Amino acid sequence: SQKIEQNSEALNIQEGKTATLTCNYTNYSPAYLQWYRQDPGRGPVFLLLIRENEKEKRKERLKVTFDTTLKQSLFHITASQPADSATYLCALDPSGNTPLVFGKGTRLSVIA
Amino acid sequence: DTGVSQDPRHKITKRGQNVTFRCDPISEHNRLYWYRQTLGQGPEFLTYFQNEAQLEKSRLLSDRFSAERPKGSFSTLEIQRTEQGDSAMYLCASSPGGRGNNQPQHFGDGTRLSIL
Repeated sequence: SQKIEQNSEALNIQEGKTATLTCNYTNYSPAYLQWYRQDPGRGPVFLLLIRENEKEKRKERLKVTFDTTLKQSLFHITASQPADSATYLCALDPSGNTPLVFGKGTRLSVIA
Repeated sequence: DTGVSQDPRHKITKRGQNVTFRCDPISEHNRLYWYRQTLGQGPEFLTYFQNEAQLEKSRLLSDRFSAERPKGSFSTLEIQRTEQGDSAMYLCASSPGGRGNNQPQHFGDGTRLSIL
């Protein structure tokens, strides 16, 4: 069966360190992978998108990698801040502008 | 860009009642999606529209659920004869559209439904 796993429900890190979140999937061949941030009681907010033929994408302190052989994406936040504390969702888009398939999310807490 | 707007933000109702939610997408966006999210889970796809045409419905969408987008602008999601298991956050998202040209989805802040 098709599955997406974000392998930590919760991650606590010290301010200033790099947070690394993992997204693994099975039985999918997604064309695109997206990462979203969600704060309590709010809708997800788009952060980064990476295509299947891209290895890495960066935006300010954020970096995403996409390994279609390992079926894995890593999401990094460098120089983390308490304001980065939120739930981060990985989402697959099978073929482009189609409904997203989300993981359960990882709740990140950055401790000052 | 005024963002995606959902109304109401919260709805409390008794089991067996009908409820209707509204979503106003970003004005130039052709695609509109409905998702459902329960505590500790990621959003799950329910249905989506390209303009006024409903393109796909999830198996999660029982016959008690119906969605419309009559003029290709706002959309409504109706749940008839609500059940306890319908309690969730109902999220709407929109995107510019155009198959194969991936664009991020813009989400509203959802309608939280509680069934008593």
